Amino acid sequence: GAGVSQSPRYKVAKRGQDVALRCDPISGHVSLFWYQQALGQGPEFLTYFQNEAQLDKSGLPSDRFFAERPEGSVSTLKIQRTQQEDSAVYLCASSNRGRDTQYFGPGTRLTVL
Amino acid sequence: AQSVTQPDIHITVSEGASLELRCNYSYGATPYLFWYVQSPGQGLQLLLKYFSGDTLVQGIKGFEAEFKRSQSSFNLRKPSVHWSDAAEYFCAVGPYGNKLVFGAGTILRVKS
Repeated sequence: GAGVSQSPRYKVAKRGQDVALRCDPISGHVSLFWYQQALGQGPEFLTYFQNEAQLDKSGLPSDRFFAERPEGSVSTLKIQRTQQEDSAVYLCASSNRGRDTQYFGPGTRLTVL
Repeated sequence: AQSVTQPDIHITVSEGASLELRCNYSYGATPYLFWYVQSPGQGLQLLLKYFSGDTLVQGIKGFEAEFKRSQSSFNLRKPSVHWSDAAEYFCAVGPYGNKLVFGAGTILRVKS
């Protein structure tokens, strides 16, 4: 595709609900990254995939956060039992190789009430 | 640990004036450095990047940045700002283990 796409663009959840955020990377990009951007802050790393392998999940804030990329293309970030502190913009990025430029999607703005 | 500092939270410049956004980093090896721009409700767009070689790098939209190893800096410049440049700018270093570390951002306001 032309760029990284994410869906939904906006998600409102009640506290305690589970949510799933989707990322479609640029076609052919082997590396995929998830970042969390709180209001007024820079993005913070959550997790990284190379193809279907999750190589780094050190940034996931709790075991309520889970990410997968089963076929090495589309990725889903799942948040279980959402809390108010999970409210943020979740950004997905892809790159051609692990050390190349990362291209970002428009993000999903999650609001937990 | 690696980190990025953007000392200015907000900057206001007049349209047509020059611009410099500051970025200082802490990184254990030769850094890969990036500047991204984010407009409201949008994702991050890459302005320019430094991997190696010439320390003055040119980017899109008339932006440039200079890598100064001795000062651990990678400041972004533009000789003449346009109203459409109003946005938030992020400096980033990495990849460190394939993750980017971002600064907190600088919000640019352009007054006519």
